[in-house]
Amino acid sequence: GQQLNQSPQSMFIQEGEDVSMNCTSSSIFNTWLWYKQDPGEGPVLLIALYKAGELTSNGRLTAQFGITRKDSFLNISASIPSDVGIYFCAGLTTNYGGATNKLIFGTGTLLAVQP
Amino acid sequence: EPEVTQTPSHQVTQMGQEVILRCVPISNHLYFYWYRQILGQKVEFLVSFYNNEISEKSEIFDDQFSVERPDGSNFTLKIRSTKLEDSAMYFCASSPTRGSPRYTFGSGTRLTVV
Repeated sequence: GQQLNQSPQSMFIQEGEDVSMNCTSSSIFNTWLWYKQDPGEGPVLLIALYKAGELTSNGRLTAQFGITRKDSFLNISASIPSDVGIYFCAGLTTNYGGATNKLIFGTGTLLAVQP
Repeated sequence: EPEVTQTPSHQVTQMGQEVILRCVPISNHLYFYWYRQILGQKVEFLVSFYNNEISEKSEIFDDQFSVERPDGSNFTLKIRSTKLEDSAMYFCASSPTRGSPRYTFGSGTRLTVV
C-alpha cells in the first residue's frame, strides 16, 4: 500500500532555531499537504502543495513539493513554544475517476521547543 | 471559523458493546470522512461518504462499522461490537468539494474499549 515516511521521528530544539523535516513516499501524489496536530486535537492544515517543485510559504512555514511528486520538506523558521506538536505530511489520493478522495498520512514528526 | 464538532470527547465502553460516535460537519460541506488514530501512530482513513452513501472504505472498515447521516446535520460512526483494538482517537472531517484537500477535522473522540 501507499506509505509516507517522515524524518526525523522527533526533534528537540531551542526557541528561535530553524527546523526542517522531510517526508518521502513510495508512490506519487498530485496533492501534498502538511498538517499540525496539537495534543488532544485533530490535524489542522498548514500548507497545501499542488504542483511538482512548488515552494509555498505560510508565515514562518515553508514547504516544497519534490519534482518527482514523491517527497516534500517543511521548514519552520525562528521556532516559538507554540510550534510544539506533531507534524504530519499527507498525500491526497483520488479514486474512481475522481469520485472520491482520501488522505494518506505520514508517520509524523514530534517537535518539542524549549523556551 | 466554522468547526466540525464531535461528541463525546471521550467514551469508555466494554468489549462487545455498541458505540455511536457523533459528528456535526460544517454546514455547507458535502463530503464527510472518518479517520482514526491509534495512540502514538499515524492517522488512518476509515471511510468517505457523499450523497448519503459510502464512497470508499478501507480494510479497517469491516462489517462491524457503519456510518449514517440520519438528518441534515449529523454524521455518525457506529461500531457494532467493540474490540480492544478499536481503542483509538476517531476523527470526523468534512470538505466542501470532491477534489478539495481542505478538509476540516474535528477534535476527535477518544474511544477506550475495556
